[in-house]
Amino acid sequence: KQEVTQIPAALSVPEGENLVLNCSFTDSAIYNLQWFRQDPGKGLTSLLLIQSSQREQTSGRLNASLDKSSGRSTLYIAASQPGDSATYLCAGTNLGSNFGNEKLTFGTGTRLTIIP
Amino acid sequence: DAGVIQSPRHEVTEMGQEVTLRCKPISGHDYLFWYRQTMMRGLELLIYFNNNVPIDDSGMPEDRFSAKMPNASFSTLKIQPSEPRDSAVYFCASSPGQGLNTEAFFGQGTRLTVV
Repeated sequence: KQEVTQIPAALSVPEGENLVLNCSFTDSAIYNLQWFRQDPGKGLTSLLLIQSSQREQTSGRLNASLDKSSGRSTLYIAASQPGDSATYLCAGTNLGSNFGNEKLTFGTGTRLTIIP
Repeated sequence: DAGVIQSPRHEVTEMGQEVTLRCKPISGHDYLFWYRQTMMRGLELLIYFNNNVPIDDSGMPEDRFSAKMPNASFSTLKIQPSEPRDSAVYFCASSPGQGLNTEAFFGQGTRLTVV
């Protein structure tokens, strides 16, 4: 059974700094890995999807990497801004016994606060 | 596309009443997921469908919970009878789920309060 862990649970960083959020998973047979952002009282917004054949994805100031052999993914945020304050969740997809039976397993999230 | 649409956004009901949550997935997506989020347990997968067929309902907490997907554009999650411990935010998500493309998109959620 896939288990996804995010440490730390909370992180505070001064505005302008670069930062890294961590995600660990137990099953290296992970298929895809997706990073989400959740603002208080809101739904989840997809940030980046790293597909099975890829090792990283970039979108603007965000860069996500995936290392299946070590069971780790990181989300790098460059030049942080107060608007980046939110909870960040990673989620892995594993194939079920039949191809196509994917389901997402979520980490518990890291609550990020950017201090102006 | 307007994204995944859930209704209602908020629901307050009395213990013992039936509650029905609704979801319209993104057109063309083959997978639909129902999640529950609480402070204590985080995001939990309740059930998911592939092409309207339930694939895995092992996350459904009790027989009081049931989910249906009568067609590709509509799904319901029903709780009968509801209990205070069912209070949570319930999310619906959909994904294309074909080949490499498993990117999931979430609705805004339904905040359920059972008093």
